[in-house]
Amino acid sequence: GAVVSQHPSWVICKSGTSVKIECRSLDFQATTMFWYRQFPKQSLMLMATSNEGSKATYEQGVEKDKFLINHASLTLSTLTVTSAHPEDSSFYICSAAKGGTEAFFGQGTRLTVV
Amino acid sequence: QKEVEQDPGPLSVPEGAIVSLNCTYSNSAFQYFMWYRQYSRKGPELLMYTYSSGNKEDGRFTAQVDKSSKYISLFIRDSQPSDSATYLCAMSGVNRDDKIIFGKGTRLHILP
Repeated sequence: GAVVSQHPSWVICKSGTSVKIECRSLDFQATTMFWYRQFPKQSLMLMATSNEGSKATYEQGVEKDKFLINHASLTLSTLTVTSAHPEDSSFYICSAAKGGTEAFFGQGTRLTVV
Repeated sequence: QKEVEQDPGPLSVPEGAIVSLNCTYSNSAFQYFMWYRQYSRKGPELLMYTYSSGNKEDGRFTAQVDKSSKYISLFIRDSQPSDSATYLCAMSGVNRDDKIIFGKGTRLHILP
């Protein structure tokens, strides 16, 4: 299967700072990438969908100015959590789609804001 | 009514038993049906996917889709302690890179 690499796997940051999470498709070009957030014992909640070279589409209730998504190439998308607060602590997961086939998930990033 | 309903469990069964995991859904436009396995603190791993109705078997895993009832199932035969994980059903529309809607996931414990 295809490999999606997410980095870092965990990060601790101070309240008010920004954190960048990278999602890379290692062996295929991803036409679409998705960003999810998962709270403990909860399902994955889609935050936004991004297509290479265009602006991301955010789900209702997700602040686009707080969660900045950049999909600069067919193999890389980044999620930046700006001015992070403790309530942003969560497990963030990306997935990448090959276009017409299934989406593959990264290993996730556990963000803790202190 | 939520688009996808899945009992969160936990479900505990003895090793070797047959496990049955289920989801119901409300959107008749769903065409792709997937089951993911997620270990603690890891990203989901695709186990199986089926298109439209029918059965699909892969080793000890069997996925069933009944579109008339809007009901999907995953069966695990000869369950092993290593099968202990959270299993999420997921569904999407015609295009495979359409938005994927996930169930809450069922936590499964296989007791040695």
